[in-house]
Amino acid sequence: NAGVTQTPKFQVLKTGQSMTLQCAQDMNHNSMYWYRQDPGMGLRLIYYSASEGTTDKGEVPNGYNVSRLNKREFSLRLESAAPSQTSVYFCASSVSTGTGGTEAFFGQGTRLTVV
Amino acid sequence: GNSVTQMEGPVTLSEEAFLTINCTYTATGYPSLFWYVQYPGEGLQLLLKATKADDKGSNKGFEATYRKETTSFHLEKGSVQVSDSAVYFCALRKGGGADGLTFGKGTHLIIQP
Repeated sequence: NAGVTQTPKFQVLKTGQSMTLQCAQDMNHNSMYWYRQDPGMGLRLIYYSASEGTTDKGEVPNGYNVSRLNKREFSLRLESAAPSQTSVYFCASSVSTGTGGTEAFFGQGTRLTVV
Repeated sequence: GNSVTQMEGPVTLSEEAFLTINCTYTATGYPSLFWYVQYPGEGLQLLLKATKADDKGSNKGFEATYRKETTSFHLEKGSVQVSDSAVYFCALRKGGGADGLTFGKGTHLIIQP
């Protein structure tokens, strides 16, 4: 039962470098999400993909891009990393229903430090 | 817009004490409500949920009731254990939306033996 798998678990980048965070889910979920978690801020939505082939901005999209590669995979790219992007990043997935009552399943997180 | 407000910690209790973590929300329509728990170094796990007014979610001795009249979803447990030490997040999801959860800032709970 892999669930939601994120890679890498830890990463240190220099300012201006680029990188891609990978996420894959094996639950056949339609919707996938990227959040960032910062101390005292809770989790904030960066981007989401309601279904394969669609992506939309969340609360804090600036400095990020995403790709929904297929139903299983949803990647997050930092084109030019900045110290303000130091955070813990979580990928999540869920079944989409009309009621909105389904929960999201989370990966273990990627701890990113930009120096 | 949607928002979730929860008491900020850390909240420190002795083992076997009664726990309440307050959560109130602002949302249009009829959102679904969730409590997630995060143990150190791990991702978030669903603890319980409620999808309509007066529903009670429960799991592992924790309970929360969806109160539409007070827009609240307070988390309670009658007797906490050291193993309950974690960060607890209240969250909501709009009905009909695939656009993700809105989270509170989290409450760090510390249980002392």
